[in-house]
Amino acid sequence: TQLLEQSPQFLSIQEGENLTVYCNSSSVFSSLQWYRQEPGEGPVLLVTVVTGGEVKKLKRLTFQFGDARKDSSLHITAAQPGDTGLYLCAGDPYSGAGSYQLTFGKGTKLSVIP
Amino acid sequence: GAGVSQTPSNKVTEKGKYVELRCDPISGHTALYWYRQSLGQGPEFLIYFQGTGAADDSGLPNDRFFAVRPEGSVSTLKIQRTERGDSAVYLCASSLMGGRNAYNEQFFGPGTRLTVL
Repeated sequence: TQLLEQSPQFLSIQEGENLTVYCNSSSVFSSLQWYRQEPGEGPVLLVTVVTGGEVKKLKRLTFQFGDARKDSSLHITAAQPGDTGLYLCAGDPYSGAGSYQLTFGKGTKLSVIP
Repeated sequence: GAGVSQTPSNKVTEKGKYVELRCDPISGHTALYWYRQSLGQGPEFLIYFQGTGAADDSGLPNDRFFAVRPEGSVSTLKIQRTERGDSAVYLCASSLMGGRNAYNEQFFGPGTRLTVL
């Protein structure tokens, strides 16, 4: 079983602060996706990273895929209350057997206090 | 519709009863996935359909769980003899092709919250 460990599990910060959350595994993934989930909603895709070392930016969010494609990070600059939510990373393990299930981490629950 | 829809949004049932959960994927998406999310956890894979066939059902916890997608669009997840441990949010997702070409980008519905008393 390929596991994704996310840290920290909970994070509470003041508006305007910067933060980084991490997603780590001992396994290699062909791609890794970051989702944000709000209470009572399904996860919403933020970004997909595919290439080792890749960096993608989405406004104040910066995503990085590790060189070995085993880990990823999400950095948020000047956090806003609207960034509050559960951030999930999900890996596509690509076993080659034709299964396209995603393996999810447990998530980081972020609260941005005004 | 514009996104993945799931019905009902909430389902409360008694232990031992049978339930059906429905998923309407994004129009044109050939791949459909069911996941289960327990409190404080990330979604866990249950089953994946490519068209009408279940291409991977390795995540179904036991034979009380079954899913169908007879016409390659709407899917129904069926749970027999429900147990309290089945209580969770059941999420459905769809993707355009379900292959490496689209990087497997999956779009999720809002989920059905199942409570077994």
